[in-house]
Amino acid sequence: DGGITQSPKYLFRKEGQNVTLSCEQNLNHDAMYWYRQDPGQGLRLIYYSQIVNDFQKGDIAEGYSVSREKKESFPLTVTSAQKNPTAFYLCASSIGGGVGLVKTQYFGPGTRLLVL
Amino acid sequence: AQTVTQSQPEMSVQEAETVTLSCTYDTSENNYYLFWYKQPPSRQMILVIRQEAYKQQNATENRFSVNFQKAAKSFSLKISDSQLGDTAMYFCAFSSSGSNDYKLSFGAGTTVTVRA
Repeated sequence: DGGITQSPKYLFRKEGQNVTLSCEQNLNHDAMYWYRQDPGQGLRLIYYSQIVNDFQKGDIAEGYSVSREKKESFPLTVTSAQKNPTAFYLCASSIGGGVGLVKTQYFGPGTRLLVL
Repeated sequence: AQTVTQSQPEMSVQEAETVTLSCTYDTSENNYYLFWYKQPPSRQMILVIRQEAYKQQNATENRFSVNFQKAAKSFSLKISDSQLGDTAMYFCAFSSSGSNDYKLSFGAGTTVTVRA
């Protein structure tokens, strides 16, 4: 089955610790995205990647880092610089750019990050 | 950045009845894409329906339909014959149509509860 997987489902972070959230897709999509969702709110874009070895900051990139070494994978690291990391994190993917192409985003099941 | 506004934080509907969710957006572009996503208690974001601004015909997907009013910048979602499984948070989202535009702007969401 084609889809997007995220792991782990729950993640606990200690003070001063970096943690990495995994996102993998087998949809053959060029573009991938990371969003943060706080309780009762919409999604905010952290980072996105249009193609392998390239990524751009979204609206709330501070305290986060990403890499895109493979088309299928787009891991997100929450660094110790992110002072309020408790949230629900969603990964998405879409086709790449092109005139007239709708870049509909499809989402993974999410990772809940909690600070101990 | 485009602004997406969902003015109804919560709505309740009796099973088998119809409910309409409102969404307005702000843009100076002529062509763009609009989406409705559903987030049930599992928190997986699921695409419900999408609309391309250049298409005058309103999109429909089974019991879900939209009323797209381009001049008014309005994009409402109608859920007909509501089912218990429709209970979820619904998000309206906007995307520019440019080949290098990847950002999806979300509204704050509307929580829909379907009563038995």
